[in-house]
Amino acid sequence: RKEVEQDPGPFNVPEGATVAFNCTYSNSASQSFFWYRQDCRKEPKLLMSVYSSGNEDGRFTAQLNRASQYISLLIRDSKLSDSATYLCVVRTGGSYIPTFGRGTSLIVHP
Amino acid sequence: DGGITQSPKYLFRKEGQNVTLSCEQNLNHDAMYWYRQDPGQGLRLIYYSQIVNDFQKGDIAEGYSVSREKKESFPLTVTSAQKNPTAFYLCASSMPSGTRDTEAFFGQGTRLTVV
Repeated sequence: RKEVEQDPGPFNVPEGATVAFNCTYSNSASQSFFWYRQDCRKEPKLLMSVYSSGNEDGRFTAQLNRASQYISLLIRDSKLSDSATYLCVVRTGGSYIPTFGRGTSLIVHP
Repeated sequence: DGGITQSPKYLFRKEGQNVTLSCEQNLNHDAMYWYRQDPGQGLRLIYYSQIVNDFQKGDIAEGYSVSREKKESFPLTVTSAQKNPTAFYLCASSMPSGTRDTEAFFGQGTRLTVV
């Protein structure tokens, strides 16, 4: 079983739609969680950290479920500019290395 | 501006050659990482370093080597032993473990092609 798993998609949605991605992780000792965005042929950039109580940043909402070992990202009112790959990242105590999921591709169309 | 810089952006290598990818950061981060990304794939860890003069192998270290002589610098050498080196290479850095919000910051990447 991979440490961090994501549905690769693509998720193909119209502008204005709400879309949600999930990510599961295998190590129950994982301590820090993040969502990154990666545009085609570019480096990943931090979208948001994921806190235990859940957190929101504008149209983006992140949730953490430790019991079921998954995190989620909800995007409301999708824009064309949201089209990208969204990477789930988990850091586990000890070496604290960022471990990446394969990414979920989102395509927002007019 | 603080950040992490990789060079070159594009690199072409002949088979049998060693090449070195540069990674420099001025964020005062202790930890640095090298990842490889293949088309349609996630990031796979090659090497990482938590402190100067120390580094550890990641999941796919074979055919690669690194050094960490300075806190700011973590160069990656792709040796001729790496059988399939064509890929997008990403360097990252972060704060030490135990610090909240220890997100990783990335350089712009180096796209290596074997010709």
